[in-house]
Amino acid sequence: DQQVKQNSPSLSVQEGRISILNCDYTNSMFDYFLWYKKYPAEGPTFLISISSIKDKNEDGRFTVFLNKSAKHLSLHIVPSQPGDSAVYFCAARPDNDMRFGAGTRLTVKP
Amino acid sequence: DAGVIQSPRHEVTEMGQEVTLRCKPISGHDYLFWYRQTMMRGLELLIYFNNNVPIDDSGMPEDRFSAKMPNASFSTLKIQPSEPRDSAVYFCASTYTGWGKLFFGSGTQLSVL
Repeated sequence: DQQVKQNSPSLSVQEGRISILNCDYTNSMFDYFLWYKKYPAEGPTFLISISSIKDKNEDGRFTVFLNKSAKHLSLHIVPSQPGDSAVYFCAARPDNDMRFGAGTRLTVKP
Repeated sequence: DAGVIQSPRHEVTEMGQEVTLRCKPISGHDYLFWYRQTMMRGLELLIYFNNNVPIDDSGMPEDRFSAKMPNASFSTLKIQPSEPRDSAVYFCASTYTGWGKLFFGSGTQLSVL
């Protein structure tokens, strides 16, 4: 069962525009959410996180929004840069586990 | 800090052969995880250890898979016998905060022919 879902396998945006990556989850016990970025031939690296007691967390060009009632979170990248092109994984944590989505491949075109 | 180190980077083997993947976590980290990445399922948790003790192996697909952590600086994931459907990228990750930020290795690309 996939408790964390990223329904868009790919996203393409123009440099300078906003990128919005979405993630849905099914388990209301999840209390901590993370986004990871992965370049080819490398392991995923941590990008940004948010606790379930918040609805927004910002770090430079990256902002994560959490809508608990909808069980939905999103990652906004503004402005998008070609170096942001990578696969982005959403992850969620209940008590003793961390579940990842299938990933969304972001391509930022110059 | 060298980060999480995995070996080999690439492994090509024939069906039925034994495969051993290796991982050295970041020094001082007390949690170690093995994940498998496939196109269909994304990153699946296979097993994780805390202080060298396996805590949850419910993600291990079959008895053909086994993992060990003989000490704090080394872990192995073994597949015996290997099958073509085991072809995937296998990641090791470690952390010191339990279920906070994970630090991933570069992965092992396994191809079973």
